[in-house]
Amino acid sequence: GAVVSQHPSRVICKSGTSVKIECRSLDFQATTMFWYRQFPKQSLMLMATSNEGSKATYEQGVEKDKFLINHASLTLSTLTVTSAHPEDSSFYICSAGPGGGGGNTIYFGEGSWLTVV
Amino acid sequence: QKEVEQNSGPLSVPEGAIASLNCTYSDRGSQSFFWYRQYSGKSPELIMFIYSNGDKEDGRFTAQLNKASQYVSLLIRDSQPSDSATYLCAVRGTGKLIFGQGTTLQVKP
Repeated sequence: GAVVSQHPSRVICKSGTSVKIECRSLDFQATTMFWYRQFPKQSLMLMATSNEGSKATYEQGVEKDKFLINHASLTLSTLTVTSAHPEDSSFYICSAGPGGGGGNTIYFGEGSWLTVV
Repeated sequence: QKEVEQNSGPLSVPEGAIASLNCTYSDRGSQSFFWYRQYSGKSPELIMFIYSNGDKEDGRFTAQLNKASQYVSLLIRDSQPSDSATYLCAVRGTGKLIFGQGTTLQVKP
C-alpha cells in the first residue's frame, strides 16, 4: 500500500480562493518532504522543500507567499495555494523518505490535480 | 544547460525488443541516480536507483552509470506494451531530487 498519501486527489476551485493539499507519511517519520508541480507533458519541477518545525525552502521563482507550506508534524506537510488563478492549475505531487529523504528510498504521493476555474 | 537532460522522444520499439533510455547530468557532485516510470495522469513510481559506476540489474531492467561521462542509462529487455510510459531520470546531489523532462516510450505489439 501507499506509504505517502496525498489528499485530495482532485480539486476544482474558483479563481481567487485558496486550496489546501495534504501530504502524509504513513509508515515513517518524515523530517523533510518535497513538493513538486507538473504541467501537462512536462517534467516534475521542485517547488519547495518542507522542513518539520521550520520554514520551507523555496526554489528560485516560486512565490512563498502564494504557495504556503506548513510542516507541523513529522507525518504531515500541507501546501496551500492562495488566491488561486487558472495558471495555477496543475498536478501537485509530494515526496518523502525515511531519514529525511537523504537515503535512496523516496516515495511519492498519488498526486493532486488542481483545476482553477 | 539543464541540470538533467533526456531526449523527450517518443522512443518507439517493437514488443520483445530492448529499449534504451539515456540521461545526462551537469552536476559532477551528484551522488544518486534514479529512474522513475510515470503513466499518464499518475504519480511517478520508482524503477531503480544506482550510485556506483557500472551496471545494476533488476529483472528486465538494467541501469548503467558512468560518472566520468556524467551519463546514466536504463535498458529494458523484452519490452512489453505495458512498459509504454514516460521514463523520468532523476539526480540527487545535496538532498534535492532534480528530474529530467522524461522520455516517452512506446512499445508496439
